[in-house]
Amino acid sequence: GQNIDQPTEMTATEGAIVQINCTYQTSGFNGLFWYQQHAGEAPTFLSYNVLDGLEEKGRFSSFLSRSKGYSYLLLKELQMKDSASYLCAVKTGGFKTIFGAGTRLFVKA
Amino acid sequence: GAVVSQHPSRVICKSGTSVKIECRSLDFQATTMFWYRQFPKQSLMLMATSNEGSKATYEQGVEKDKFLINHASLTLSTLTVTSAHPEDSSFYICSARDLRGAVQETQYFGPGTRLLVL
Repeated sequence: GQNIDQPTEMTATEGAIVQINCTYQTSGFNGLFWYQQHAGEAPTFLSYNVLDGLEEKGRFSSFLSRSKGYSYLLLKELQMKDSASYLCAVKTGGFKTIFGAGTRLFVKA
Repeated sequence: GAVVSQHPSRVICKSGTSVKIECRSLDFQATTMFWYRQFPKQSLMLMATSNEGSKATYEQGVEKDKFLINHASLTLSTLTVTSAHPEDSSFYICSARDLRGAVQETQYFGPGTRLLVL
């Protein structure tokens, strides 16, 4: 079956660094996405990894290990506006994109 | 990034009526669009894949006669919830696949439509 696991909730302090992990078991793999979703809004694209390694984009970085079925999203210099849900999504062998349940991040002052 | 719009953003209807939701890609052509449903505090669940000029592909457990999808042009897909019931109340989100760009192919999401069936 298809399975994407990520922690339900995380709390971090403004200015700090937080790492959100995602593990997946899917039938085929054609890339992994991270999306940010604020309450009541649609997801917005953050990153895409298809090869192993780290992709850095400003305060956000995403890492992928295909052999381990593992990815993480790293958020640096946290800001209050980063409080949101972060969705890990995998494009499977059938080119469908399957979403994890999301990790709700609370940034406190 | 690419822009996808959805209309309406919010709709309240009576049980038994039908509701149509439009999804448009504004600055690119989308041969494939996706329809998702999201219940509170849950993730996005793919309902169907909409392909321009052909029939939609529905996920297991999604009734195609209840959720009618029409992808009539490269920039427009519609989802019609027929004979809506309170359990159909949810956040419906469409996305369009943007194939421009060499390596990165991603989906861009519309702002979502919140449906409340009374």
